[in-house]
Amino acid sequence: QVQMVQSGAEVKKPGSSVKVSCEASGGLFSTYGINWVRQAPGQGLEWMGRIIPLLGLPKYAQKFQDRLTITADRSTSTVYMELSSLRSDDTAVYYCAKDVLEPVGASRDYWGQGTLVTVS
Amino acid sequence: DIVMTQSPDSLAVSLGERATIDCRSSQSVFSSSNNKNYLAWYQQRPGQPPKLLLYWASMRESGVPDRFSGSGSGTDFTLTISSLQAEDVAVYYCHQYYNTPQAFGQGTKVEIK
Repeated sequence: QVQMVQSGAEVKKPGSSVKVSCEASGGLFSTYGINWVRQAPGQGLEWMGRIIPLLGLPKYAQKFQDRLTITADRSTSTVYMELSSLRSDDTAVYYCAKDVLEPVGASRDYWGQGTLVTVS
Repeated sequence: DIVMTQSPDSLAVSLGERATIDCRSSQSVFSSSNNKNYLAWYQQRPGQPPKLLLYWASMRESGVPDRFSGSGSGTDFTLTISSLQAEDVAVYYCHQYYNTPQAFGQGTKVEIK
């Protein structure tokens, strides 16, 4: 079965870091871009960054350039998103999502279930 | 950076009636190399991840009902729900994946009148 499974909810103190994982199975890894998108409570979707695991070269939104690190472990088909210097306004649900550029099977729509990060 | 702007922010439509959402990008998301618009539409219900409805501006994702359609090119796009159903109550987002940073519109909330 094709799916993307994220790690569980986190509660963090201001100034600390959080690392969220996204394990992709069923052919979703390697050559496809994996994006990280976040959604603050009651707010819209915000694109944070992207990585193509085969290439290992992440790209970040300018807003997060100084404190976001996206990495990929091809041996475990897992992508990681680490955000440092956490603030209260980083409280959000963080999603991993595959690029829509190419399909896997009949679909292009692959998202993780979301990981709630609470900074308090 | 490309900025995506949706209108309206919310709309209420009677069951069975048409709903239309507009999305404008601050720069063109059309690629002349493959004649494609790098524009997607998503539906998000409360407590769920976004669900892809359309990609390449007008191509329906597998399993999406044909009452959802997309149109437009360059900088101006439209999502149309031809006959609103109760299960269509959600927030809808446009998304440009033409370049980095990718960007989403602010969202349009669709409700039943």
